[in-house]
Amino acid sequence: GENVEQHPSTLSVQEGDSAVIKCTYSDSASNYFPWYKQELGKRPQLIIDIRSNVGEKKDQRIAVTLNKTAKHFSLHITETQPEDSAVYFCAGAGGTSYGKLTFGQGTILTVHP
Amino acid sequence: EPEVTQTPSHQVTQMGQEVILRCVPISNHLYFYWYRQILGQKVEFLVSFYNNEISEKSEIFDDQFSVERPDGSNFTLKIRSTKLEDSAMYFCASSLVSLEYTFGSGTRLTVV
Repeated sequence: GENVEQHPSTLSVQEGDSAVIKCTYSDSASNYFPWYKQELGKRPQLIIDIRSNVGEKKDQRIAVTLNKTAKHFSLHITETQPEDSAVYFCAGAGGTSYGKLTFGQGTILTVHP
Repeated sequence: EPEVTQTPSHQVTQMGQEVILRCVPISNHLYFYWYRQILGQKVEFLVSFYNNEISEKSEIFDDQFSVERPDGSNFTLKIRSTKLEDSAMYFCASSLVSLEYTFGSGTRLTVV
């Protein structure tokens, strides 16, 4: 089955800096890669997703890039703000387990004012 | 915006007791899921449900677990005989198109 690895486990940045979180996946048939933001005690909330027919997607300060050959994808947050502080999870899906999301281990992002 | 509703928000139970976690998915959604998250860890897939049957389950979802959609609106997860290691946040999710999830707010299960 799919295995998703996520790095780094913690990331600390100053307000206004950029933050980058990286994930790799194992199943070359996976074709859907969402990113979730989870605040303490809350549900995971989808912030951006990308499908395997696209190399990059952007939504305001958030962008995701996908390299199918290398089987990795990254989340980029520009001009970070303290309210961006949360746990971010990448996930992979499709391929042999259609409908099931396999999550990465999570990155605790802290944005210092 | 439509929401997935989960009840209760927090459940405390004695080891060995049965618990039922309840979810009301978004009304026109077709795919239903349960995930769990042990404190401080990643979200883990338990089971997916489509067309009134389980479509996939993980190795965590053993004989102690079952799911039901008893009345066309609710989607329940039952744990027959809870263990300490079942303590976790349980998230229900639903989707109209497979993979485009909406997660519920979760039920925190504490087994004592």
